[in-house]
Amino acid sequence: AQSVTQPDIHITVSEGASLELRCNYSYGATPYLFWYVQSPGQGLQLLLKYFSGDTLVQGIKGFEAEFKRSQSSFNLRKPSVHWSDAAEYFCAVINAGKSTFGDGTTLTVKP
Amino acid sequence: GAGVSQSPRYKVAKRGQDVALRCDPISGHVSLFWYQQALGQGPEFLTYFQNEAQLDKSGLPSDRFFAERPEGSVSTLKIQRTQQEDSAVYLCASSSEAGGHNEQFFGPGTRLTVL
Repeated sequence: AQSVTQPDIHITVSEGASLELRCNYSYGATPYLFWYVQSPGQGLQLLLKYFSGDTLVQGIKGFEAEFKRSQSSFNLRKPSVHWSDAAEYFCAVINAGKSTFGDGTTLTVKP
Repeated sequence: GAGVSQSPRYKVAKRGQDVALRCDPISGHVSLFWYQQALGQGPEFLTYFQNEAQLDKSGLPSDRFFAERPEGSVSTLKIQRTQQEDSAVYLCASSSEAGGHNEQFFGPGTRLTVL
């Protein structure tokens, strides 16, 4: 069965600092991987996705993620965080219509 | 409409009541998904439709939960004899491709509170 683990429940970074959110997955084949962001009162929005090809994928709002098969990881990064990035971030894997989401990481941005 | 809409946005039910939650996906999207999101957790998969066919309902927690999409567009999630543990936000998403391997577009959710 597929699973997703986001080890960090809550992360605090200063505005302008770099960010890395961790995601580990368990899946038998090459996974379809996603990162979504959920701001208070907002719906889930796709940041980026990985299906195949280049293991470093670029997304919206300056985010990127790197797929590492050997580590079963798909970590999300941003070089310089903005106050508006404060939100909850979810990593997900999907197979044949069935999605599995992690429990999310809450990002707080300090001024 | 431009996005996925859900109604009602908020629903309060007494324990034992039946509820029906509606999802209007993006026009033309073949895939439709329902999720349950408890406080502090990620969305939990409930069921998946490809057009009008319910291809996966393995996530429905009990036989009190029923979903349909009779014409391949609007979908309804019905919960019979609601229990307090059903309190959660119910999210609907749609996708232009079968299997949802492309982007899923999420609605704002329906917050269900069972008293």
